[in-house]
Amino acid sequence: DIVLTQSPISLAVSLGERATINCTSSQSLLYSSNNRNSLAWYQQQSGQPPKLLIYWASIRESGVPDRFSGSGSGTDFTLSISSLQAADVAVYYCQQFHTSPLTFGGGTKVEI
Amino acid sequence: EVQLVQSGAEVKKPGESLKMSCEASGYSFTNYWIAWVRQMPGKGLELMGVIYPGFEPQVIYSPSFQGQVTISADKSVSSAYLQWSSLKTSDTAMYYCARLPSSGARPFYFDYWGQGTLVSVSS
Repeated sequence: DIVLTQSPISLAVSLGERATINCTSSQSLLYSSNNRNSLAWYQQQSGQPPKLLIYWASIRESGVPDRFSGSGSGTDFTLSISSLQAADVAVYYCQQFHTSPLTFGGGTKVEI
Repeated sequence: EVQLVQSGAEVKKPGESLKMSCEASGYSFTNYWIAWVRQMPGKGLELMGVIYPGFEPQVIYSPSFQGQVTISADKSVSSAYLQWSSLKTSDTAMYYCARLPSSGARPFYFDYWGQGTLVSVSS
């Protein structure tokens, strides 16, 4: 199975400041059919189901604020929140869809 | 509007059986994979398995859940199911269903999620 390691496990960021979350894969996630990376990011607020933010490593889901961005390639990926808002307090997960079984990272808790 | 509506919370005893449901609406049920994801209390997300409810349904279980649960679907009511024949206390968790777009037999990411079904197993 592909293992995704997220860092840090938690971070505290001031309102309006930048938050950066890393996700490292045990194997390359490059999908040869479209030359994109098979990685998604989710936000899970307390008591809620996860919500898709980013897919194919950098494509923002419809309706997601543009302060959220994804980058990276191969085995190293980053989710950035450019100007943290109170509504962004949540746990964030990365997920690979390159190889079955689909797997998630362990999560990163973002606090103010 | 795409919606996945899950059945209600369950309180069970060890050894009891359980079947939960996930009813889909707002899209063509047979054109997307549906997944079941476990979240144990205070823990992360674990994929249990996925089902493609097309003409010839396909089910792929994650290794940790193979033989532990059964995933099925009924196209006539646009619903997917997750069932146990004998629950354990360690099955206490929140269970989510989620839809996955795909390229043929290859599911991708989870674009819509159900609200979750909380299962509590205790003697």
